[in-house]
Amino acid sequence: AQSVAQPEDQVNVAEGNPLTVKCTYSVSGNPYLFWYVQYPNRGLQFLLKYITGDNLVKGSYGFEAEFNKSQTSFHLKKPSALVSDSALYFCAVRDSRLNNNDMRFGAGTRLTVKP
Amino acid sequence: KAGVTQTPRYLIKTRGQQVTLSCSPISGHRSVSWYQQTPGQGLQFLFEYFSETQRNKGNFPGRFSGRQFSNSRSEMNVSTLELGDSALYLCASTPLVGVRNEQFFGPGTRLTVL
Repeated sequence: AQSVAQPEDQVNVAEGNPLTVKCTYSVSGNPYLFWYVQYPNRGLQFLLKYITGDNLVKGSYGFEAEFNKSQTSFHLKKPSALVSDSALYFCAVRDSRLNNNDMRFGAGTRLTVKP
Repeated sequence: KAGVTQTPRYLIKTRGQQVTLSCSPISGHRSVSWYQQTPGQGLQFLFEYFSETQRNKGNFPGRFSGRQFSNSRSEMNVSTLELGDSALYLCASTPLVGVRNEQFFGPGTRLTVL
């Protein structure tokens, strides 16, 4: 069975500093990994995904994520945080062996960027 | 293209009642999935529909059901509502079934059970 862990409930960074939101996963087959962001009273917005290829994936709004197979991690990063990045971030995984849309999400990490 | 739309946005029901939520996927998308989001349990997969057929179902009781119509619109129904059913219900669509595809989410329906 696939699962995702986001070890930090909350991440606080100062505007202009780099940010990292951590994610580790567990799947039986190869992982397909996704990051989503949720703003208050909104649905989830897709940021980026890793399917295959380069371990460093670039996505929307200047975010990127690094896939590390040996550490089973897919941490979300941004070189310079903005106040507007403050939101709830979810990591999600699918197992490549399964032909369905069952996506397992982490518990979410609340990112707060302070001016 | 218009995004995923969900109606209603807010609902208040009492225990024992039933409720139907609606989701219209992005035009051309044929797969619709439903999720329940609560502060305690996070995001949990309910079920997935493709071409009017339920392809996958999460670990929820039979009170939760759904269907998909020929135009890909989907509804989910919860019968005999319980307080614990209070949640944000999210619908997501993808063009096809495929584990490589990201899902596009609607704004959700916030259900409050009193």
